[in-house]
Amino acid sequence: NAGVTQTPKFRILKIGQSMTLQCAQDMNHNYMYWYRQDPGMGLKLIYYSVGAGITDKGEVPNGYNVSRSTTEDFPLRLELAAPSQTSVYFCASSWPQGTSGEPFYNEQFFGPGTRLTVL
Amino acid sequence: AQSVTQLDSHVSVSEGTPVLLRCNYSSSYSPSLFWYVQHPNKGLQLLLKYTSAATLVKGINGFEAEFKKSETSFHLTKPSAHMSDAAEYFCVVSESNNDMRFGAGTRLTVKP
Repeated sequence: NAGVTQTPKFRILKIGQSMTLQCAQDMNHNYMYWYRQDPGMGLKLIYYSVGAGITDKGEVPNGYNVSRSTTEDFPLRLELAAPSQTSVYFCASSWPQGTSGEPFYNEQFFGPGTRLTVL
Repeated sequence: AQSVTQLDSHVSVSEGTPVLLRCNYSSSYSPSLFWYVQHPNKGLQLLLKYTSAATLVKGINGFEAEFKKSETSFHLTKPSAHMSDAAEYFCVVSESNNDMRFGAGTRLTVKP
């Protein structure tokens, strides 16, 4: 299994440009997530998806869009890039809550990240 | 909403000495707790997780953490540091599948 893969690894954008960060997982996970990590900070959730066709906003969704047409893929779209979007972006996936009803949550599996600079 | 505080932004130890990375959490429910490690320019890797089966949780590479509800803590320890342990460590609390809250991270430096 490749796990969670992300492309590209690095990208430099000019202000106002657009791009799509790609994320794919081969573990048949229902849940997928996009995070951003700013220097000296933990990760913040941008968007998440609980399955194909279902997405929802996280803590910091402004300036981003997502879609989930398949279980495997969860691309993140940046429209009109701004310097504030300079960050490292991580995609992750997980199984949902355990099926036996226990109220505990499964770990997320992370991709290697995309380092984005907006100048 | 849940939150997590990592009490040290940077910890420096000598190789072969114990490691202690401190984490306090706040949660209205019985949360799941995780420690992840991030080596330079890499993604996050799960070290261990607490899901109520046992309060002392053993993880990979000799790390363990103890869940103390009365102190709302989930500190990460290792008896003997290795040079390869140098990395950023994140404590994470989760109350749902779509809401994991990350601490700001603790950078561990290991001196030869």
